[in-house]
Amino acid sequence: NAGVTQTPKFQVLKTGQSMTLQCAQDMNHNSMYWYRQDPGMGLRLIYYSASEGTTDKGEVPNGYNVSRLNKREFSLRLESAAPSQTSVYFCASFQQGTGGYGYTFGSGTRLTVV
Amino acid sequence: QKEVEQNSGPLSVPEGAIASLNCTYSDRGSQSFFWYRQYSGKSPELIMSIYSNGDKEDGRFTAQLNKASQYVSLLIRDSQPSDSATYLCAVGGGSQGNLIFGKGTKLSVKP
Repeated sequence: NAGVTQTPKFQVLKTGQSMTLQCAQDMNHNSMYWYRQDPGMGLRLIYYSASEGTTDKGEVPNGYNVSRLNKREFSLRLESAAPSQTSVYFCASFQQGTGGYGYTFGSGTRLTVV
Repeated sequence: QKEVEQNSGPLSVPEGAIASLNCTYSDRGSQSFFWYRQYSGKSPELIMSIYSNGDKEDGRFTAQLNKASQYVSLLIRDSQPSDSATYLCAVGGGSQGNLIFGKGTKLSVKP
């Protein structure tokens, strides 16, 4: 039982390049999230998906797009990377109605934009 | 703007002591409260959740909630060097399960 799997674990991009961060969960959770974590800023919500087929903006959505491909997979796309998007990105999943468990996080993607 | 505030630390305690971590939140409608532990370079790991006023104990960890004061705390008894990490407070209440995270308190337990 892998939980939440993120790929890649590390990535270096040049300014203006695009890439997609992949996330998959095998816990049959309805809700999935993308956060970024920066020193001194904590975890900030980029986008979330409450269920398959729905996505909504979080606190810092500019420069990102998302796709909820199916119940398992939720991807985050950077269309034109900027140095300000250098960060650690975490995907998480959550099953509504089982609030006693909180989020399960993936291992993270460390992205550097040069 | 919903906010969750934590003292950034570092909080330094000797091995065997009680570590006390505090968190305040701005949204009075919040209903769920979580503590996550994050080791350096790793992802956050859920260690405690609490939903009603009072104390909740799990092993060496006790979470305390006071909704009237909008205050959540985490006590770690018999602190060990392995408890050295950043502790994140998270607060939720929206229908989508979205959590708002504090910036975290760095705890250092000295042998």
